[in-house]
Amino acid sequence: GAVVSQHPSWVICKSGTSVKIECRSLDFQATTMFWYRQFPKQSLMLMATSNEGSKATYEQGVEKDKFLINHASLTLSTLTVTSAHPEDSSFYICSVQGIAGVTGELFFGEGSRLTVL
Amino acid sequence: GQNIDQPTEMTATEGAIVQINCTYQTSGFNGLFWYQQHAGEAPTFLSYNVLDGLEEKGRFSSFLSRSKGYSYLLLKELQMKDSASYLCAAHNAGNMLTFGGGTRLMVKP
Repeated sequence: GAVVSQHPSWVICKSGTSVKIECRSLDFQATTMFWYRQFPKQSLMLMATSNEGSKATYEQGVEKDKFLINHASLTLSTLTVTSAHPEDSSFYICSVQGIAGVTGELFFGEGSRLTVL
Repeated sequence: GQNIDQPTEMTATEGAIVQINCTYQTSGFNGLFWYQQHAGEAPTFLSYNVLDGLEEKGRFSSFLSRSKGYSYLLLKELQMKDSASYLCAAHNAGNMLTFGGGTRLMVKP
């Protein structure tokens, strides 16, 4: 499998500020990472696919200028929520796909719960 | 387009058996994942079905019918700790996963 670490686990910020969430693949090099968002009692919604060394691919309806993704190395992807507002409060989860074992299996980070006041 | 349907909520009694259904309509279908997610935590892998039929793994079993676009997760000898959300996800062409809305299972004593 793959070990994925996400930081911070919890963050509370004021409206209008920016928040950065880090996602690290600890035991293998991930050229692709996925960022999901999950609102209370809802399922995971793919926001974007983070590609090492190139621009992220955003899903329809996700503002690329608001959710900045940087995948500068094979083990680190960051998601920055710019000018956060209360409606951005959500559970953000990153994941990588394993290179061995079950094809396509996603390994998830611990998630980051963002609360915007 | 992609469409994954599963019941929103289910309730069952400790020690009982529960079946969580999932229907899907996707293009370029490779297989069907089931994940378990406890509240406030990340999802964890339960099973992956590629071929038709039932795959058993301890108290949990998963079934797939590709011709019907149908899968189910079967949980036996329910325990209180099984209270969680169960997510089915279609594995599609391009190695992407599309998640259903999740089924919140509540196990009562």
